Amino acid sequence: DTGVSQDPRHKITKRGQNVTFRCDPISEHNRLYWYRQTLGQGPEFLTYFQNEAQLEKSRLLSDRFSAERPKGSFSTLEIQRTEQGDSAMYLCASSLLHDGYTFGSGTRLTVV
Amino acid sequence: QKEVEQNSGPLSVPEGAIASLNCTYSDRGSQSFFWYRQYSGKSPELIMFIYSNGDKEDGRFTAQLNKASQYVSLLIRDSQPSDSATYLCAVNRGYKLSFGAGTTVTVRA
Repeated sequence: DTGVSQDPRHKITKRGQNVTFRCDPISEHNRLYWYRQTLGQGPEFLTYFQNEAQLEKSRLLSDRFSAERPKGSFSTLEIQRTEQGDSAMYLCASSLLHDGYTFGSGTRLTVV
Repeated sequence: QKEVEQNSGPLSVPEGAIASLNCTYSDRGSQSFFWYRQYSGKSPELIMFIYSNGDKEDGRFTAQLNKASQYVSLLIRDSQPSDSATYLCAVNRGYKLSFGAGTTVTVRA
């Protein structure tokens, strides 16, 4: 059990560029979640996968955001045409049951 | 009304004292309640969870749940400088966790 891994740890991008983040959950966890956290706020739910199926996508996610989890293993979160308001910490978490998540270290995105 | 509300703090306590953190939630159907600790610049780390009314103790931490009052709290006994962090209350119904904004605790040596 090596925990939840996220890559990259930091990303600086120019407005309008596309970015993609990767998450590798704990291997036996079939549930995977993406959250976003801005300064001074708690994490906000973005989307949820059970195995490879995306079961819910928050209204916070515009059409510029897409997430995948091919084969129920790692997941990617892509943001197209980034905006300054997308600057945040993007957190991935996984769980086996709904008994609390294990979070990864997060990807800090800065859009300039 | 926010789903989960916490005292924003900051809460400053002397080393060795008890830190008391409070959280209220709006959804009466919530089943599980979690406390996460988050150090500055780091991701949240699960420290306690509670499902049933009453108290649950784990080392220096005690979680208290009162579903009738829709209230959950966290007590940190014998506070240490290493406890200085933001504490996030989270509530779930089904698979999704809703988080409060967190309470920042500073333990003075």
